[in-house]
Amino acid sequence: EIVLTQSPDTLSLSPGDRATLSCRASQSVDGTFLAWYQQVLGQAPRLLIYGTSTRATGIPARFSGSGSGTHFTLIISRLEPEDFALYFCSHYNISPPNYTFGQGTRLDIK
Amino acid sequence: QLQVVQSGAEVKKPGSSMNISCRASGDMFGNLALSWVRQAPGQGLQWLGGIIPIFPLTHYDQRFQGRVTISADESTNTAYLELRSLTFEDTAVYYCATDIWFAGDSASHPFYFHHWGQGVLVTVSS
Repeated sequence: EIVLTQSPDTLSLSPGDRATLSCRASQSVDGTFLAWYQQVLGQAPRLLIYGTSTRATGIPARFSGSGSGTHFTLIISRLEPEDFALYFCSHYNISPPNYTFGQGTRLDIK
Repeated sequence: QLQVVQSGAEVKKPGSSMNISCRASGDMFGNLALSWVRQAPGQGLQWLGGIIPIFPLTHYDQRFQGRVTISADESTNTAYLELRSLTFEDTAVYYCATDIWFAGDSASHPFYFHHWGQGVLVTVSS
């Protein structure tokens, strides 16, 4: 089973800063199956990025995803107050069907 | 716009079973695959399994194999999660997540989920 490890566990930044979140896979994965979710406290996750770099509908352009193989990155170019939340990367394995999630990165206001 | 609405919170005894549901609004239920994802307090996300109701085709995470059943009723656009032999470690918020299933060489679950239910807290307590 593929294990996703996110870093850092917590990132403390200020509004207007640039945030860089990392997701590393235990083995090389197809970026088609790599997604990022945002979870605001007390709410369900929201899809941000799929296929490594495609923004979901309605997601602002300040969110961008990149990467390949075992290392993927989510960048938030200029943090807005509503961006301070929990972020998960996710990988879908086709056979057997299975989804794995990273442990999450918490983005806190400094 | 697809909406996913889940049933209410539950409190269960250890060793008992939980049964929760989620209903997807709209007329595209036949195009959907529905999964159940849980989140223990302060923890990350864990996939339990999913179903493509139109076939039906069901898959489970091996860690839950044997004590989980996912089913769906196309007449009511509703998916169900039954988890048996509950322990305290099953206390979590359970989410229903859904998206259009992928028609490749064979039917596949979606690679990601655009739509999530509001989540339901299931507490296992003696």
